[in-house]
Amino acid sequence: DGGITQSPKYLFRKEGQNVTLSCEQNLNHDAMYWYRQDPGQGLRLIYYSQIVNDFQKGDIAEGYSVSREKKESFPLTVTSAQKNPTAFYLCASSRTRTSHYEQYFGPGTRLTVT
Amino acid sequence: AQTVTQSQPEMSVQEAETVTLSCTYDTSESDYYLFWYKQPPSRQMILVIRQEAYKQQNATENRFSVNFQKAAKSFSLKISDSQLGDAAMYFCAYRTVTQGGSEKLVFGKGTKLTVNP
Repeated sequence: DGGITQSPKYLFRKEGQNVTLSCEQNLNHDAMYWYRQDPGQGLRLIYYSQIVNDFQKGDIAEGYSVSREKKESFPLTVTSAQKNPTAFYLCASSRTRTSHYEQYFGPGTRLTVT
Repeated sequence: AQTVTQSQPEMSVQEAETVTLSCTYDTSESDYYLFWYKQPPSRQMILVIRQEAYKQQNATENRFSVNFQKAAKSFSLKISDSQLGDAAMYFCAYRTVTQGGSEKLVFGKGTKLTVNP
């Protein structure tokens, strides 16, 4: 089955700790994305990557970091500098330069920091 | 920068009835793509329908159809014969291309749809 996996589904951390959220895809997509979802805010783009070893900041990148060492993996690190890290995080992927552009989403990770 | 506005934070509909969700966007581009995504309580994002701006014909997927008004920059979603399983958050999205050539989606804040039995 092709798709996107995010693990774990629920994650709990103490304030001041960095935490890494996993995102893996086997769709052979070039592009991958990380979104944050808060109530009433819709989806806000954190980081995105169009090719391996390259990524760009989205609208709310402060306090987050990413890497793209492999095509199928795009982990997101929530650092202690992120002031309000508790949220639902969604990973997505897509083909690029296609007339059938569409983003496919993973099931998400709910991060709670106390 | 492109923006997407969903003016209805919440909507409700009776089962088997029809409901229309509104979406407007702002862009200076002439060729683009628009999307409606559904997010049920499971929180899995699911693509409902896609519209290419260069196509004059409105997209249709079974009970879901759009009313795409390019001049008005409006992209509403009509759900016919509503079912209990249609209850979800619905997000309108616009595909934009950055100066560097990267593609990304800009999302509206969503409309929560309740379906009453």
